[in-house]
Amino acid sequence: GEDVEQSLFLSVREGDSSVINCTYTDSSSTYLYWYKQEPGAGLQLLTYIFSNMDMKQDQRLTVLLNKKDKHLSLRIADTQTGDSAIYFCAAKGRGSTLGRLYFGRGTQLTVWP
Amino acid sequence: NAGVTQTPKFQVLKTGQSMTLQCAQDMNHNSMYWYRQDPGMGLRLIYYSASEGTTDKGEVPNGYNVSRLNKREFSLRLESAAPSQTSVYFCASSPGPQETQYFGPGTRLLVL
Repeated sequence: GEDVEQSLFLSVREGDSSVINCTYTDSSSTYLYWYKQEPGAGLQLLTYIFSNMDMKQDQRLTVLLNKKDKHLSLRIADTQTGDSAIYFCAAKGRGSTLGRLYFGRGTQLTVWP
Repeated sequence: NAGVTQTPKFQVLKTGQSMTLQCAQDMNHNSMYWYRQDPGMGLRLIYYSASEGTTDKGEVPNGYNVSRLNKREFSLRLESAAPSQTSVYFCASSPGPQETQYFGPGTRLLVL
């Protein structure tokens, strides 16, 4: 299977930008996802990027994909206390009828005032 | 639309007891999934159902069974619960196997 790695913790001040990084091992991954999990809740899809794209922007969120280095990042502009949560990176492989998702361990983002 | 719903929200079992976790989706999705989430870990796939009438094992199927009751419902059964099955269980669905997955709120299970 695929290995997806993320740093476990990130702390930022309110108003600053946050950058959460992720690496994956399978260069044939088709889609890469970012999910957000708030305490006691399920996973909420934030955004995703197709493997033939370098960048995707959606309001305060910017996703960058470096396919050569198999590196994905999520930038949150003007981070707010409500952004405090765990962020999961997930990669979807190809060559399978399932399109199985492989998740990283999650990055705990703490935003302090 | 409620999206993906799961019952119960919380459950405490004794070792050896059995129970069924229920999942339903109202998005007319073809594919459904069961994951478990352990502390400090990402989600791991237990079983999935690419379409109504089919089920297949994921990464960690041992100790579990599933039933795709109809297009809307996908249940996960623990026949003889073990403390190692203490976890948070998430159900997800997607329009098709290659498409984006949407998650339910989770069931928190404690096995004593």
